Amino acid sequence: AQKITQTQPGMFVQEKEAVTLDCTYDTSDQSYGLFWYKQPSSGEMIFLIYQGSYDEQNATEGRYSLNFQKARKSANLVISASQLGDSAMYFCAMREFMDSNYQLIWGAGTKLIIKP
Amino acid sequence: EPEVTQTPSHQVTQMGQEVILRCVPISNHLYFYWYRQILGQKVEFLVSFYNNEISEKSEIFDDQFSVERPDGSNFTLKIRSTKLEDSAMYFCASSRDPSSYEQYFGPGTRLTVT
Repeated sequence: AQKITQTQPGMFVQEKEAVTLDCTYDTSDQSYGLFWYKQPSSGEMIFLIYQGSYDEQNATEGRYSLNFQKARKSANLVISASQLGDSAMYFCAMREFMDSNYQLIWGAGTKLIIKP
Repeated sequence: EPEVTQTPSHQVTQMGQEVILRCVPISNHLYFYWYRQILGQKVEFLVSFYNNEISEKSEIFDDQFSVERPDGSNFTLKIRSTKLEDSAMYFCASSRDPSSYEQYFGPGTRLTVT
């Protein structure tokens, strides 16, 4: 079974609009973390935002926020006021903290294209 | 701002050749990782390394792969006898300590096996 599911392979959004990128996860661990990374066409992997499973508040970092719904096991990324530079691949990833497990498990990604 | 660096940015090699991908993690970080991303596919974990030994490895990380921290700064991934299917982007990452949630990624090395 997929541990991280990103159901949107691609999205087109008008500049300045908000965009929500979906991510659902599957784990039986009580302690885990959820991450979003941005990968521009140049290929590097840029960390955007993190949400811990015990965090009560949704994480926010500038224009990025994470809509964390623990019961539904979803961790959607919201980008407010999108910009042309937001065009990139976006990956959701999870780390399970049980058994001293440190690897990141990745989703397939969503290709976001911002239209002027 | 400190960053993870990787060299080379692009490596082309013939099938069966050995390659060594190099990474310089952030200087005060103690935990190191290699991931790979085959073109158009998801990122896959290969191995994590802490205190001069492998902490975890995936099924991909078979006997053809090895990692080493030969000195205080470099962290290398060696592929002994490359196969066509090893063609991918290889990312090195580091974190401050095992409990630190953020892994800082390098820019990647694109490996092309012909």
